[in-house]
Amino acid sequence: AQSVSQHNHHVILSEAASLELGCNYSYGGTVNLFWYVQYPGQHLQLLLKYFSGDPLVKGIKGFEAEFIKSKFSFNLRKPSVQWSDTAEYFCAVNGRTGRRALTFGSGTRLQVQP
Amino acid sequence: GAGVSQSPSNKVTEKGKDVELRCDPISGHTALYWYRQSLGQGLEFLIYFQGNSAPDKSGLPSDRFSAERTGGSVSTLTIQRTQQEDSAVYLCASTSGGGGETQYFGPGTRLLVL
Repeated sequence: AQSVSQHNHHVILSEAASLELGCNYSYGGTVNLFWYVQYPGQHLQLLLKYFSGDPLVKGIKGFEAEFIKSKFSFNLRKPSVQWSDTAEYFCAVNGRTGRRALTFGSGTRLQVQP
Repeated sequence: GAGVSQSPSNKVTEKGKDVELRCDPISGHTALYWYRQSLGQGLEFLIYFQGNSAPDKSGLPSDRFSAERTGGSVSTLTIQRTQQEDSAVYLCASTSGGGGETQYFGPGTRLLVL
């Protein structure tokens, strides 16, 4: 069965600090990888995704993630966070065939202090 | 264009009552998913509809849960004889169904069973 692990449950940073959120997955096949973000009081929004090609993908608001196949990882990074990045971040994976339902990690709550 | 919409946004019910939750996917999207977001279980897949195919119900937690999709568009998730552990946010997502696609989420219905 597929699974996604997010290592950090709650991260507190000061503005301008660098961010890296870990994500590892277990899946028996070729995968698509996603990071979704949920701002306070808002619904889930796609931050970035990897389907194929360049393993370094760039998303909205200055976020990027790197797919490392050998490590089954898809870590999210941002060089300088802002207070407005305060949100919950979810890593997710689905397969290339079948129902393609997303399997989510448990989420990381990011709090950025001004 | 319009995103995924869900209604009601909030629902409070008494234990043992039935509830219906509605999802309007993005126009033209053939694939529709229901997920549940709860404190103890995170984000879990419930059911998947793709076009006119039989739905994948493998994520439904019990036979009290059912869903239908009429005319390949609107979907209703029904929970019969609600229990307190059904309290959660129920999320709907839709995709174009073409493969490797992004799932777009609605705002969710927050269900509280007293």
